[in-house]
Amino acid sequence: EVQLMQSGAEVKKPGATVKISCQVSGYSFTDYHMHWVRQAPGNGLEWMGLVDPENGETMYAERFQDRVTITAVTSTDTAYMELSGLTSEDTALYFCTTGPQLVPFYWGQGTLVTVSS
Amino acid sequence: AIQMTQSPSSLSVSVGDRVTITCRASQGIRNDLGWYQQKPGKAPKLLIYPASSLQSGVPSRFSGSGSGTEFTLTISSLQPDDVATYYCLQDHNYPYSFGPGTKLEIK
Repeated sequence: EVQLMQSGAEVKKPGATVKISCQVSGYSFTDYHMHWVRQAPGNGLEWMGLVDPENGETMYAERFQDRVTITAVTSTDTAYMELSGLTSEDTALYFCTTGPQLVPFYWGQGTLVTVSS
Repeated sequence: AIQMTQSPSSLSVSVGDRVTITCRASQGIRNDLGWYQQKPGKAPKLLIYPASSLQSGVPSRFSGSGSGTEFTLTISSLQPDDVATYYCLQDHNYPYSFGPGTKLEIK
């Protein structure tokens, strides 16, 4: 059974950096791209970027290009998403998601990031 | 970047009704499109990808069609369990992009 286990909720102050982890099991970590998607309260889904765990190559959405870093550590089957320069607009539920097709299929449980002074 | 739009943004329909949701891309994306269903408090579920291929285990009342810039998700006979928000996602080019969503409610 494929499982994606994300780290716990975070509360950060404006200007801070958050780093969320996503540890996978049930498949070979390097077989599928790992995407990150976020959802602000009451809002829609927003694709942030992805990493290819096989070679570490990344692609990011333009609006996050300067603030986001997505990495993959194959020794622990864990992906990370780091977002810097947090503002209240970054308050959201962050998902890691992957799958054998080019679009996300398996999803983590989500990590709530709250940005508040 | 490719922009995705959806219509309508919300709709209220009766059980048994036929439902049609449209997704449009700002440029041609062939059939590189997926449809997701998201229920409150849950992660999205992939229903259809690419464009018209039903994912395993998804009820046959769901279907997808279209290519290029216009796509349609159809529910042939709405069931109470279908209350959710539906999103399209293009994977034709990076960055991927979701549509803004269509919230489906029971009348």
